[in-house]
Amino acid sequence: EPEVTQTPSHQVTQMGQEVILRCVPISNHLYFYWYRQILGQKVEFLVSFYNNEISEKSEIFDDQFSVERPDGSNFTLKIRSTKLEDSAMYFCASTGEGTQYFGPGTRLLVL
Amino acid sequence: RKEVEQDPGPFNVPEGATVAFNCTYSNSASQSFFWYRQDCRKEPKLLMSVYSSGNEDGRFTAQLNRASQYISLLIRDSKLSDSATYLCVVPNYGGSQGNLIFGKGTKLSVKP
Repeated sequence: EPEVTQTPSHQVTQMGQEVILRCVPISNHLYFYWYRQILGQKVEFLVSFYNNEISEKSEIFDDQFSVERPDGSNFTLKIRSTKLEDSAMYFCASTGEGTQYFGPGTRLLVL
Repeated sequence: RKEVEQDPGPFNVPEGATVAFNCTYSNSASQSFFWYRQDCRKEPKLLMSVYSSGNEDGRFTAQLNRASQYISLLIRDSKLSDSATYLCVVPNYGGSQGNLIFGKGTKLSVKP
C-alpha cells in the first residue's frame, strides 16, 4: 500500500537554527499539506500546496516558514530561525481522491 | 472561527464493552466528515469517512446529524487494540481537498 514518508524521524536543533523537514507524498497525489502537533495538543494545519504553489496557509505559517517541491517527489518544510515554541511533531499529508493520508511525522525539538 | 469539539475523555472500558464518542462542528457547509485514530506519538490514521447520514464498518458505526451539526462514533465489542485517541475531523471549506480541522481527540483505554 502506498504511503507518505518523512525524514528525519527526529530532529534536535538549537534555537535560531534553520531546519528542513522532508516528505515524499504518495506518488499520484496532487495536494500536499503540513500539519503540526504540539505535545498534548490537537493537530493544527500549517499550509497546503497544489500545482506548485501555496493554496492556503494558517496564521501559524508566518515568514519563518516556507515550503518547496524541489523535484517531482519531495515536499519540504523549512523553518528559517527556529524558536522554542516550534518544538512539535510535524506531519506531512497528501490527498488524491479526498482522503488525506499522513506520514509518520518528524519530531522536532528546539533547545 | 471554525471549531470541532469532542468529548474530553478519557474513556476507560473493559474488553467487550460498547463505547460512543460525540463530536460537534461549527462549519455548517461541511459535506464530509472523518474519524481518525491516533496511537501515542504516531500519525493520525483514517478510521472512517462519513458523507451521508452514517457509515458502518464492522464493529464501528459513525452517525451524522446535519441539523444538529453532530457526529458520533460507536465501537462495539471493544478490543484491547482499540486503545487509542479518536479524532473527529472536518474539512475547513466543506470539500475534501481543503485543510482539515481536528478536534482535540478522545482517549480510549480498553482494559482486560
